[in-house]
Formats: sequence, structure tokens, C-alpha cells
Amino acid sequence: AQSVAQPEDQVNVAEGNPLTVKCTYSVSGNPYLFWYVQYPNRGLQFLLKYITGDNLVKGSYGFEAEFNKSQTSFHLKKPSALVSDSALYFCAVRDSLKAAGNKLTFGGGTRVLVKP
Amino acid sequence: EAGVTQFPSHSVIEKGQTVTLRCDPISGHDNLYWYRRVMGKEIKFLLHFVKESKQDESGMPNNRFLAERTGGTYSTLKVQPAELEDSGVYFCASSTRLLAGGQETQYFGPGTRLLVL
Repeated sequence: AQSVAQPEDQVNVAEGNPLTVKCTYSVSGNPYLFWYVQYPNRGLQFLLKYITGDNLVKGSYGFEAEFNKSQTSFHLKKPSALVSDSALYFCAVRDSLKAAGNKLTFGGGTRVLVKP
Repeated sequence: EAGVTQFPSHSVIEKGQTVTLRCDPISGHDNLYWYRRVMGKEIKFLLHFVKESKQDESGMPNNRFLAERTGGTYSTLKVQPAELEDSGVYFCASSTRLLAGGQETQYFGPGTRLLVL
């Protein structure tokens, strides 16, 4: 079975400071990892994904994430947060094993509040 | 290129009534998925179509839910009869034909917010 944990319900950060949103996962095979963001009254927008290769993945809007196999983590980071980054962030995983199907398993979401 | 669209954006119905949600995937995407987020909890997988065929319906909660994708284009999700616990946001997503190992990105629609009173 595959699972995702986002240990923080909310992260508060001052504008201009680094932002980190934590995510840990569990899969039987190899993980395919995704980050999505949901702005108020909008759908889920794809930010970035890790499939294989370089552990540091760069995505949209200046976000990046680091895959750490030993810690089974895929934390989302941004060096300098903007007020407009305030949103709900979801981490998701898909197991590489064919038997697991193609479904994404999501974490509970982390609300990010960037204060001016 | 148009994204995934969903209709309606909001639906308020009474317990026992029927509601049909529609999803139009990105043009050319063979894979279509339904997910839902109930009561602010995790987003949960419901089912997966490859063209018009149901590839995986392991997440469908019970037989009150019926999903179709006739012709392999748009999909509908019908809830009949609706219960209070069905309230939540229903998301649709689509992706291109499966790459090796299923590495493609799923692109989500804006969701349908369903409230059952």
C-alpha cells in the first residue's frame, strides 16, 4: 500500500523568508512523487514531480523539491516566499509497481500563509 | 490548450436526490480519473478510465456511485441517491497515454463542490 504524510497542517512564514513544506511517503516499489497547489476557489495545479535522476527537482513559480530516499521524504522548498504563495499544498505519490495501478495517493495538505 | 473542465462548479441537493457531475478532459488524453475530498480530509482516488474502459474502480465507495465515459471523451459521475456523507469536492484529472511505469502527470480540473442537505 502507498501512503503520504504531511505532518504540518499549516506553515506560517514571513515574506522573503525561506519556505519549506514537509512530505514523507511509503510505497512498495519506487516512488513517483508530485506536488500540487490549490489557490482559493481554484483547482489543483501541478508544481513539480520526481520520477528518477537528480534528487533536486525544479518546478513552477520558483519552487523546488528534494527527494531523499533514505528518509523517504520529498520536501517542497522556495528560497524566498511571496504573499501570493499563500495556498494549500498537496504532496502525492504513485507506486512504480504495475499492480498498484495509476492512482495518486495524497497527503492531507498543508496550508501555507505568507505574511507581508 | 484548454485544461480539464468540470460542470457544475457547485451543486446543492437534498438527501435522496440524484446528481450528475461532468468532466471534460484535456483533448487527446486517454486517461481520466475521478477523485474526491470529503470534509477537508485527504483527496481520495475513486476510479480510472483508459479511453472508455474502467481500468481501476477500487476507490468507488459503494454502488450509489456510477461513472461512465461513453466514447472515451467526457465522463460523468452520478450519485444516486445522494447521502449526507457524499458532500465534498469532486475532482477530475486527465493524463496522456501511459508512459513506461506510469510516469505521466495528471492534470486536475477545478472540481465540483457538492453539498448534500
